[in-house]
Amino acid sequence: ETGVTQTPRHLVMGMTNKKSLKCEQHLGHNAMYWYKQSAKKPLELMFVYNFKEQTENNSVPSRFSPECPNSSHLFLHLHTLQPEDSALYLCASSHLGTGGGEQFFGPGTRLTVL
Amino acid sequence: DAKTTQPTSMDCAEGRAANLPCNHSTISGNEYVYWYRQIHSQGPQYIIHGLKNNETNEMASLIITEDRKSSTLILPHATLRDTAVYYCIVRVPSGTYKYIFGTGTRLKVLA
Repeated sequence: ETGVTQTPRHLVMGMTNKKSLKCEQHLGHNAMYWYKQSAKKPLELMFVYNFKEQTENNSVPSRFSPECPNSSHLFLHLHTLQPEDSALYLCASSHLGTGGGEQFFGPGTRLTVL
Repeated sequence: DAKTTQPTSMDCAEGRAANLPCNHSTISGNEYVYWYRQIHSQGPQYIIHGLKNNETNEMASLIITEDRKSSTLILPHATLRDTAVYYCIVRVPSGTYKYIFGTGTRLKVLA
């Protein structure tokens, strides 16, 4: 596997379910990000992890809980979601420090909350 | 981060150059200009970035005006596969590298 991978690619869940999204980067990067993209809206940054430490939480509701066990893996734990949380969830990674710091995105998880 | 302004949509004939403009009149001296594109429902793809000099890579060229208040992304020979939403972002290359995405330009390459 190369680049940034995300699983599952599609997820349908009820409002009382608990599920997790997984992201893995194979690029040796030290920062990882979660974004949300709702229909017809720009990407919204949700969380930023820098060397496994959360450095940004963009006022995200507590029903979204991120976890970063190491610099290669990032999870987004979901519980008691609402239908308006249906969106494309994108993970990205980048290298902090010298260099361009460009972000590399995964293919996303299309989430539908019923 | 500085705000960017892009046209909502553009069309380009296949094989011709696609020139996508971006205004960033409040850009600071140490803020870079980045371009990404997003093909329908996929993750955004990095294209190119620059500070004040023009840049070129295998995908595109980036022309930044001397006052740095605007830039143009050039796809020299557009193909149907270049149909996508193109985002222009400005940011400081330090800290958490936070991007603020706008609505971008929807480029449609016509056969």
